[in-house]
Amino acid sequence: EDQVTQSPEALRLQEGESSSLNCSYTVSGLRGLFWYRQDPGKGPEFLFTLYSAGEEKEKERLKATLTKKESFLHITAPKPEDSATYLCAVQAGNQFYFGTGTSLTVIP
Amino acid sequence: EPEVTQTPSHQVTQMGQEVILRCVPISNHLYFYWYRQILGQKVEFLVSFYNNEISEKSEIFDDQFSVERPDGSNFTLKIRSTKLEDSAMYFCASSDKYSNQPQHFGDGTRLSIL
Repeated sequence: EDQVTQSPEALRLQEGESSSLNCSYTVSGLRGLFWYRQDPGKGPEFLFTLYSAGEEKEKERLKATLTKKESFLHITAPKPEDSATYLCAVQAGNQFYFGTGTSLTVIP
Repeated sequence: EPEVTQTPSHQVTQMGQEVILRCVPISNHLYFYWYRQILGQKVEFLVSFYNNEISEKSEIFDDQFSVERPDGSNFTLKIRSTKLEDSAMYFCASSDKYSNQPQHFGDGTRLSIL
């Protein structure tokens, strides 16, 4: 069965304390892996798309990487405004599977 | 920046009634999607729509559900004979030329079934 698992479920960081979020997946025929940010009461906001193992994408304090079994979202020197839930989604064929997300809190 | 808009933001409906959720995707996008998120659970794919027909649907998307693009701008999700377990946040999304392009989401419609 196709599955996406994110860890940890929740993460509290001090401002400036770098860390990584994990998304592991077991799908056949990966067509893309997507990272989204979701703020309370809002829809997911697109961050990155990764298509093949070894690919990396970077934007401000965020960097996403992809292997054959998992993806990492690295957050460097986070700020309080980075607090949100980060969602990972994979596309297998024409189906889309989301993980349950990592709730990130950055403390000033 | 163009955005996906959804109306209403909150819909309250009696069990057994029909409900229509509305979405205006980004104007030059070609792929349209509906997802739902039950409170505290993961976002679940319902259906994708391309070239005026369903291109893929999940097991959740049974005969109770239907989608339509009635004109050049709106994309609707109809739920017939609603059940208590249909209570959820429903998100519409759209993407550009290909189905594996990033999806842009609306802020959702919270559906409450009484």
